[in-house]
Amino acid sequence: SYDLTQPPSVSVSPGQTARITCSGDALPKQDAYWYQQKAGQAPVLVIYKDNERPSGIPERFSGSRSGTTVTLTISGVQAEDEADYYCQSADSSGTYRVFGGGTKMTVL
Amino acid sequence: QVQLVQSGAEVTKPGASVKVPCKASGYTFTSYYIHWVRQAPGQGLEWMGLINPSGGRTTYAQKFKGRLTMTRDTSTSTVYMDLSSLTSEDTAVYYCARDEVGYPYGMDVWGQGTTVTVSS
Repeated sequence: SYDLTQPPSVSVSPGQTARITCSGDALPKQDAYWYQQKAGQAPVLVIYKDNERPSGIPERFSGSRSGTTVTLTISGVQAEDEADYYCQSADSSGTYRVFGGGTKMTVL
Repeated sequence: QVQLVQSGAEVTKPGASVKVPCKASGYTFTSYYIHWVRQAPGQGLEWMGLINPSGGRTTYAQKFKGRLTMTRDTSTSTVYMDLSSLTSEDTAVYYCARDEVGYPYGMDVWGQGTTVTVSS
């Protein structure tokens, strides 16, 4: 099966920049998505198609890609951004979706 | 407004099946895939599969083939996820989420989740 690899955790101080990476062999061929999940809530889409923000998502959230790695960047982190973040993409055929293992972001 | 509404919690026994509904409203039901994603306690998100409500075509993750069935009722804009031969490892929150067919916009609306507990 196809896997996406994320760091288990990141910590950042308020106002600083957080970067969360996601690696996978098929990422050069498939779009990447990022979801934010706060405790006890359903996930929320924060980035689609590698670097696009849905309506209502703050500008401090951005996405980028380099080879087999995609990165979610949160600039000027706020306390309310503390959450689990998941990348999502598809296998090389585009048939099967897959989520990364998730990254717990702590705001110090 | 656009919504996906799921049923309340379910408690079932090992070896049994569970059928979880996901009712869509506020948009054209047949224009969006419905994905099912589950999350075991303290664990990450796991993609289970999807259904295209337009023709009913399904794609299931390899792990669930043979015991997962997704169906839809276009008259009520409802999708059903049926998982059989349950074990304690199927205890999880099950979410449905929509994804526009033919466009790379992602899973932009999620249901509130249904907690399924498998226990003897």
